[in-house]
Amino acid sequence: EGQLVESGGGLVEPGGSLRLSCAASGFTFSSYRMNWVRQAPGKGLEWVSYISSGGGSTFYADSVKGRFTISRDNAKNSLFLQMDSLRAEDTALYFCSKGRDCNAGRCLLEDWGQGTLVTVSS
Amino acid sequence: EIVLTQSPGTLSLSPGERAALSCRASQSVSNNLLAWYQQKPGQAPSLLIYGASSRATGIPDRFSGSGSGTDFTLTISRLEPEDFAVYYCQQYGSSTVSFGQGTKLEMK
Repeated sequence: EGQLVESGGGLVEPGGSLRLSCAASGFTFSSYRMNWVRQAPGKGLEWVSYISSGGGSTFYADSVKGRFTISRDNAKNSLFLQMDSLRAEDTALYFCSKGRDCNAGRCLLEDWGQGTLVTVSS
Repeated sequence: EIVLTQSPGTLSLSPGERAALSCRASQSVSNNLLAWYQQKPGQAPSLLIYGASSRATGIPDRFSGSGSGTDFTLTISRLEPEDFAVYYCQQYGSSTVSFGQGTKLEMK
């Protein structure tokens, strides 16, 4: 089943940047497509981004397109989310998730990390 | 984007009762690629049902999923104390991935 551990969250001012990481273990990371999903405080789930197993294909939610960049380092079993031009509405708990049965960037989200909290505020 | 609407927003039941949670899509979900997740306070979501009706590994058979097209249901046949949580549906068949707003299942 494996484990996913997110890190890199914190408090950042509007317009600032943050880079989230997700360390994977216990499964063959390079074989899996990965996703970021977020959850604003007290709210529901919102898919953010997808990356293919090799990193060559990415998709983004309209709400973050042009501001966020997903990437991965299969040699280090790590997933990343570079977040630029952050806004107050980006405040959320960010989860990384292992995808399954994926098609054109849409995945069943099989396993999840515990999340890392991003707060955008002045 | 397919909009998923879950109902009711909150469901108050007692252990041992049967729960039926609804998820309605604004347009047909391709290949019935609809999943259900359970989220307990302070925890990440966990996968319960995929492909509308297939249970994920280790999920008890009191959980069942049904439906097709635009109307889907998660049924919990006999509620256990650990089942009280928030449940989300997700479609992964069309457009971009989308989630319902959630149904909170609370103990009466």
